Amino acid sequence: GEDVEQSLFLSVREGDSSVINCTYTDSSSTYLYWYKQEPGAGLQLLTYIFSNMDMKQDQRLTVLLNKKDKHLSLRIADTQTGDSAIYFCAENGSGAGSYQLTFGKGTKLSVIP
Amino acid sequence: GAVVSQHPSWVICKSGTSVKIECRSLDFQATTMFWYRQFPKQSLMLMATSNEGSKATYEQGVEKDKFLINHASLTLSTLTVTSAHPEDSSFYICSATMTSGGGDTQYFGPGTRLTVL
Repeated sequence: GEDVEQSLFLSVREGDSSVINCTYTDSSSTYLYWYKQEPGAGLQLLTYIFSNMDMKQDQRLTVLLNKKDKHLSLRIADTQTGDSAIYFCAENGSGAGSYQLTFGKGTKLSVIP
Repeated sequence: GAVVSQHPSWVICKSGTSVKIECRSLDFQATTMFWYRQFPKQSLMLMATSNEGSKATYEQGVEKDKFLINHASLTLSTLTVTSAHPEDSSFYICSATMTSGGGDTQYFGPGTRLTVL
């Protein structure tokens, strides 16, 4: 079945850049997503990238996709304490319907003031 | 746009009682809604996929008689945990799909924390 892997923890200093990495196995993915979850809250869609793109930038967020290696990354520039959260990578591979998502376990980002 | 709400945000109930959780898409119509549960420090586990006007599709290992899903309209889906037990305590999150530039993007509700005593 589909698998999405992420490192579990990342710690950065305020003002530095954060890079969260994700690998996936399903080559039929058409969209890849990054979601943010703050404590006790649901998931907030941060950004997505279509599988035929290799980069997407949205303000402080940069998504890089290496489709050949099935590697996705999220870069947060000028990381702030408010960015502390869990970040989930997800892909919509070959589940029952193109809209079914497979999530990674999430990367907990801790920002040190 | 694309706001999904859940009600209640948290609930505490006694073992053996039933609890209903509502999921609403506030500013769009969602043909498909999903129900997830999340254990502490873990990822989301898909429980079921719900389409308006039809029966929900449950994932393997999820008891459909215990977790009743009703998708009455394009903006409302409900999950009823019947005869709840302490092991049902979890964070339940719903999502609703909206077709956009990101394909059928899922937008998530804020979640419902269920504690069964």
